[in-house]
Amino acid sequence: RKEVEQDPGPFNVPEGATVAFNCTYSNSASQSFFWYRQDCRKEPKLLMSVYSSGNEDGRFTAQLNRASQYISLLIRDSKLSDSATYLCVVGGGADGLTFGKGTHLIIQP
Amino acid sequence: NAGVMQNPRHLVRRRGQEARLRCSPMKGHSHVYWYRQLPEEGLKFMVYLQKENIIDESGMPKERFSAEFPKEGPSILRIQQVVRGDSAAYFCASSPRDTEAFFGQGTRLTVV
Repeated sequence: RKEVEQDPGPFNVPEGATVAFNCTYSNSASQSFFWYRQDCRKEPKLLMSVYSSGNEDGRFTAQLNRASQYISLLIRDSKLSDSATYLCVVGGGADGLTFGKGTHLIIQP
Repeated sequence: NAGVMQNPRHLVRRRGQEARLRCSPMKGHSHVYWYRQLPEEGLKFMVYLQKENIIDESGMPKERFSAEFPKEGPSILRIQQVVRGDSAAYFCASSPRDTEAFFGQGTRLTVV
């Protein structure tokens, strides 16, 4: 199965700071990219899709770098409620979707 | 359009019994994924199915575990002769193809 790699963290970040995660993927034929968020012991939920041109949703910005095969997630002005595990998801072809193991983020007051 | 439905939400089994976990995908979704999550660990891929076909079962233990997604009805993850180490949260996700997937709320299996 194709690989999706993430730094597991935890990332400990003070409230109000900016934090960024990267995720690398091995399948150069991948066509779809997403970030999911998982709160403690709950099901993962779609945070945002990642488009070739990059996209922004409020304080969240996602970027795709096809040449280097990574996607990134930037969170500005972090809130306590942003504390969660962020999962990188890559799709394309017969393998369907491949999930990374997640990056654990802790926002500290 | 109801979301992905998993049942039961909680399941308790004694060692040696069978556990059957059900997942009804969202309407129009023909792709189903099963994941296992042990306490304090990340999601671990188990199996990827499309209607009536197992596409990738590389994450599923070779013994005691099986999965199906019949033409009609929910996807079933079956664990035979459960052991304590099978205690975990089992999540199912569905998607219409390799686009965004939606997760069910999970089944918490406890083996006593």
